[in-house]
Amino acid sequence: GENVEQHPSTLSVQEGDSAVIKCTYSDSASNYFPWYKQELGKGPQLIIDIRSNVGEKKDQRIAVTLNKTAKHFSLHITETQPEDSAVYFCAAREPAGNEKLTFGTGTRLTIIP
Amino acid sequence: DARVTQTPRDKVTEMGQEVTMRCQPILGHNTVFWYRQTMMQGLELLAYFRNRAPLDDSGMPKDRFSAEMPDATLATLKIQPSEPRDSAVYFCASGLGGRNEQFFGPGTRLTVL
Repeated sequence: GENVEQHPSTLSVQEGDSAVIKCTYSDSASNYFPWYKQELGKGPQLIIDIRSNVGEKKDQRIAVTLNKTAKHFSLHITETQPEDSAVYFCAAREPAGNEKLTFGTGTRLTIIP
Repeated sequence: DARVTQTPRDKVTEMGQEVTMRCQPILGHNTVFWYRQTMMQGLELLAYFRNRAPLDDSGMPKDRFSAEMPDATLATLKIQPSEPRDSAVYFCASGLGGRNEQFFGPGTRLTVL
């Protein structure tokens, strides 16, 4: 089955700086890669996703890049704000017909005011 | 706004007791997922349903866990008998078959003493 590794496990950045979180996956047939943000006491919230036929996707301050050859994808948050502090999870979905998401272990992002 | 709801939000029980967790998916969504989140294992898929039929329950301990969808607006996850190692946060997520996105509920925090 799919295996997703996520780094770093914790990340602290100064408010206004950028944050980058990286994930690698093992199954070259995986074709969908979402990112979730989880705040304390809440369920994961989908913030951005990318499909395997796209190399990059951007939504305001958040962007995701995908390198299919290297089997890794990254989340980029620019101009970070205190409300960006949360745990972020990457995930990979196995090929069509199987809707299982395999999650990374999470990155606790802290924005320092 | 449309969201997944879960009850109860918190449950404390004693070892050996039966626990039932309930989930109401977003209206119109036909796919329901059950996840378990622990510090050690992260987010794990237990089971998922499409149009109320189980598609994959390979992540679920069969001897004590059972998942059902009595109707399109209700999914249940039952543990009988519960054990301390079942202590975790259980999330339900829903989606629309053929679409990639999964939307998570707020979770049920289960503590088994």
